[in-house]
Amino acid sequence: GAGVSQSPSNKVTEKGKDVELRCDPISGHTALYWYRQSLGQGLEFLIYFQGNSAPDKSGLPSDRFSAERTGGSVSTLTIQRTQQEDSAVYLCASSPRGYNQPQHFGDGTRLSIL
Amino acid sequence: GESVGLHLPTLSVQEGDNSIINCAYSNSASDYFIWYKQESGKGPQFIIDIRSNMDKRQGQRVTVLLNKTVKHLSLQIAATQPGDSAVYFCAENIEGYQKVTFGTGTKLQVIP
Repeated sequence: GAGVSQSPSNKVTEKGKDVELRCDPISGHTALYWYRQSLGQGLEFLIYFQGNSAPDKSGLPSDRFSAERTGGSVSTLTIQRTQQEDSAVYLCASSPRGYNQPQHFGDGTRLSIL
Repeated sequence: GESVGLHLPTLSVQEGDNSIINCAYSNSASDYFIWYKQESGKGPQFIIDIRSNMDKRQGQRVTVLLNKTVKHLSLQIAATQPGDSAVYFCAENIEGYQKVTFGTGTKLQVIP
């Protein structure tokens, strides 16, 4: 597709389960970002990938959160042993090279932990 | 740490009037600024950007003003329409650094 695609659009799971969220960035974009947005709040940076460089993981809130990007394209955000405070919308964005460029966002995955 | 912030969390505007959304930033090293619009259930959408070597940039019905002296950024929307109702975020970036810092957002409500 032409834009950033995220799946699933909604995910409901029980506390303690693991979840995987997927992001397909725009083809050719080397920069990929993950953000978390709680209800009525701003965007909280989680992790950033740029080409083959080591990712910037400085925003990951705990070691239960991890992400990978395979082949410089698709990215997966994994949350292990989910907690209720993990409930939020998880947004992915990409840009051609990162700095000084607007980011193109997907519509996010709404995660609800019961 | 340094951050981007907004003066008003909610702004109500009559349809047809002009809207002004403000943003204060504190990182004097920031040299690139972006405004995003986020509608309910959607991801943020790029509206307009401005680099620090400019103080004004215009798009279609939108204008961004940058005042580096007081570290202030504003988004002006002309002839506000119901479709402009959304949350607006400003964001800042420092050249050479990949991370973008987002403000907390301003909700714009357009009154028909």
